[in-house]
Amino acid sequence: GQQVMQIPQYQHVQEGEDFTTYCNSSTTLSNIQWYKQRPGGHPVFLIQLVKSGEVKKQKRLTFQFGEAKKNSSLHITATQTTDVGTYFCAGQAGNTPLVFGKGTRLSVIA
Amino acid sequence: ETGVTQTPRHLVMGMTNKKSLKCEQHLGHNAMYWYKQSAKKPLELMFVYSLEERVENNSVPSRFSPECPNSSHLFLHLHTLQPEDSALYLCASSQGVRGIKQYFGPGTRLTVT
Repeated sequence: GQQVMQIPQYQHVQEGEDFTTYCNSSTTLSNIQWYKQRPGGHPVFLIQLVKSGEVKKQKRLTFQFGEAKKNSSLHITATQTTDVGTYFCAGQAGNTPLVFGKGTRLSVIA
Repeated sequence: ETGVTQTPRHLVMGMTNKKSLKCEQHLGHNAMYWYKQSAKKPLELMFVYSLEERVENNSVPSRFSPECPNSSHLFLHLHTLQPEDSALYLCASSQGVRGIKQYFGPGTRLTVT
């Protein structure tokens, strides 16, 4: 079945440093979504990417969808303590439900 | 956010107990989901309901029994659980099942003793 791999599993950064998490799918995706889960909270939708090579920005967050629609990345510029949490990618292939990656847990050291 | 609510928020139960988790969505969505989140397998999809019909059942043990009486409510009935079933159970909803963003509830933290 479809698999979505996400790396790294954990990332510790100093406040102000950049952070990137990568997502790879075993199959070509029709779309990919990103979610953020704060400690003790629940996943919250961030963005959806649909087009090959698409790049979207939300303030300090930049999301990319690969040309082959099998990989994606989330980059945070100049991390802040409010960025702490686990970031999940979730991919959909065809008519199948979303498949979530295992997430990247981000810690920011002030 | 109060779009998707779950009760109870915390539950401790013995292996011989029977309990139910409840989820309610106030967003007018027509699809609802149960996920299990544990340290070993984050966000493991259990069941999907679309228009009150179960459309996905990811090899979940029969000790978990879902029920969707209408498009706003979803239940997860639990009986004779095992300690390894201890986890955070998340409910989510969406408008449509395919390729649509999901709204998650706060979850029920379940501990099986």
